[in-house]
Amino acid sequence: DAKTTQPNSMESNEEEPVHLPCNHSTISGTDYIHWYRQLPSQGPEYVIHGLTSNVNNRMASLAIAEDRKSSTLILHRATLRDAAVYYCIPSSYNFNKFYFGSGTKLNVKP
Amino acid sequence: NAGVMQNPRHLVRRRGQEARLRCSPMKGHSHVYWYRQLPEEGLKFMVYLQKENIIDESGMPKERFSAEFPKEGPSILRIQQVVRGDSAAYFCASSPGATNEKLFFGSGTQLSVL
Repeated sequence: DAKTTQPNSMESNEEEPVHLPCNHSTISGTDYIHWYRQLPSQGPEYVIHGLTSNVNNRMASLAIAEDRKSSTLILHRATLRDAAVYYCIPSSYNFNKFYFGSGTKLNVKP
Repeated sequence: NAGVMQNPRHLVRRRGQEARLRCSPMKGHSHVYWYRQLPEEGLKFMVYLQKENIIDESGMPKERFSAEFPKEGPSILRIQQVVRGDSAAYFCASSPGATNEKLFFGSGTQLSVL
């Protein structure tokens, strides 16, 4: 499994953009980069995933470095509901191989 | 379309009792995964099942833990003779296929062993 390095915690003000970094220098060439988040007392929730190109969806954007050794999840306008632990997971679609590290705990201030 | 349903939401057991955790996947999903989350830690994979088959149980403890996903009914994670170290949040997830893009999680069962 590709190991990841994420900040333990980050803080943001409401309605400001948030950039959540992830280093995954041992990622294999066929692994996708998945992002999930876990709100307090809830199960994880899919956010976004990508392989090589930057990706956008209604929740977030994913910027992937050209060498694929790092990526950044971008929340364009943080809301209080975005306060959660964000997990970066380099993996194929084999969910039994998903490795949830410690993630980044995002705190959003009003 | 209801999401992944887990029950009970909270389960309290005394040491030595049995715990049964149930998971109903999303409609149309035939692949079920169980994960365990210890306090202040990330989720750890336990077992992957399809209908009536265990595909990968490499994350399951060798003793006391078992899982099934019968042809009819929910998937069951069973823990026999629980110990305090089994206290954790247990999450079930489902997908429609083995290589789906997304994994859908339930809200979990919080098991507390007294």
